[in-house]
Amino acid sequence: AQKITQTQPGMFVQEKEAVTLDCTYDTSDQSYGLFWYKQPSSGEMIFLIYQGSYDEQNATEGRYSLNFQKARKSANLVISASQLGDSAMYFCAIGPTDSWGKLQFGAGTQVVVTP
Amino acid sequence: DAGVTQSPTHLIKTRGQQVTLRCSPKSGHDTVSWYQQALGQGPQFIFQYYEEEERQRGNFPDRFSGHQFPNYSSELNVNALLLGDSALYLCASSSGGDRVGGQYFGPGTRLTVT
Repeated sequence: AQKITQTQPGMFVQEKEAVTLDCTYDTSDQSYGLFWYKQPSSGEMIFLIYQGSYDEQNATEGRYSLNFQKARKSANLVISASQLGDSAMYFCAIGPTDSWGKLQFGAGTQVVVTP
Repeated sequence: DAGVTQSPTHLIKTRGQQVTLRCSPKSGHDTVSWYQQALGQGPQFIFQYYEEEERQRGNFPDRFSGHQFPNYSSELNVNALLLGDSALYLCASSSGGDRVGGQYFGPGTRLTVT
């Protein structure tokens, strides 16, 4: 069984500042993948970044970076230089590497970027 | 390059009715997964289709069924609708051979059961 916990229901961040979104997980799988998705008010889930459990380096994609601490079972998302368009719901998800279909999502964190 | 498309965008049904939702995967993808997202919650995995067969299933009753066609598009059918089936239904596509890439989601179908 897999479980994702996102403890921050909502966050306010000023434009151009960095924000860290927390994600902890629990899994019995030896090999797994961690994902972050962004969901604006329109509803579409936008894939942001991926981290494999055996990847030694933290993943980065533009302004997004994933702070992966395997021993602590945490996979925090860092958004640098926040923009107004970053206002959205952010979901952390985990999936086994033998099948990408069964993603387990957290409850999400609502981010509001202010001018 | 067309992304994942879903139809219809919105749907209103009456309790007890049946509904069919449709999904076309991103070009080059052969695997389709369906998720249900209730208001204020994260998506919940319903099932996944690959090579026209259901490969994995989440904790959903048999009222939820699906199909994948030879062109990789997919349908989600829900019978005997309940008020609790009201949700955003998301379709996600991926490549069966891609272990690194993420799943790409469509815009969703908002189902309201009255």
